[in-house]
Amino acid sequence: KAGVTQTPRYLIKTRGQQVTLSCSPISGHRSVSWYQQTPGQGLQFLFEYFSETQRNKGNFPGRFSGRQFSNSRSEMNVSTLELGDSALYLCASTRTGQNTEAFFGQGTRLTVV
Amino acid sequence: DQQVKQNSPSLSVQEGRISILNCDYTNSMFDYFLWYKKYPAEGPTFLISISSIKDKNEDGRFTVFLNKSAKHLSLHIVPSQPGDSAVYFCAASLSGNTPLVFGKGTRLSVIA
Repeated sequence: KAGVTQTPRYLIKTRGQQVTLSCSPISGHRSVSWYQQTPGQGLQFLFEYFSETQRNKGNFPGRFSGRQFSNSRSEMNVSTLELGDSALYLCASTRTGQNTEAFFGQGTRLTVV
Repeated sequence: DQQVKQNSPSLSVQEGRISILNCDYTNSMFDYFLWYKKYPAEGPTFLISISSIKDKNEDGRFTVFLNKSAKHLSLHIVPSQPGDSAVYFCAASLSGNTPLVFGKGTRLSVIA
């Protein structure tokens, strides 16, 4: 069974640009969560989507947004990129939205220059 | 304010010995805890979890202990192997229904 797939794996963007990251959950999983990992900060929760609805949101500015499609694939968008947005963005999926065993993708490494 | 803390950024252990990774939490409402292992350039991999109704859960070489009164959990790996060298994250949730709150991780190095 295929795991969580995130594309692209690496991305370099310039300050002020916007970026869209994609996440395809494990087949049959309906919940997708996004996390940001930066050195020294661990993983910080961005938002969670379940059946196309945002169910939880972390403490990030409005420049960070996301959506989920009917096939459970999810995208996150960051507008007006700042240098501090450079991070590894991780997506996790669960079948029911219960975080008793969330499966993570390999992440997208975003570098803002 | 960090709700989940892993106070040791790194740990070195000899192959064959026990590795003990510690995690403290401040929110007494947390009742579900997970450990993830992460290699560089890969996403975290689920290792083992424990619900607050238990104080111990075992899976092969991995055992997690939960001390609710101390708001402390630990992951024991025995025997440690070089392939266990990775960053280990502790995470907590309320009944699995809320987003996972992660610690900052502990880098484990198992020396052959």
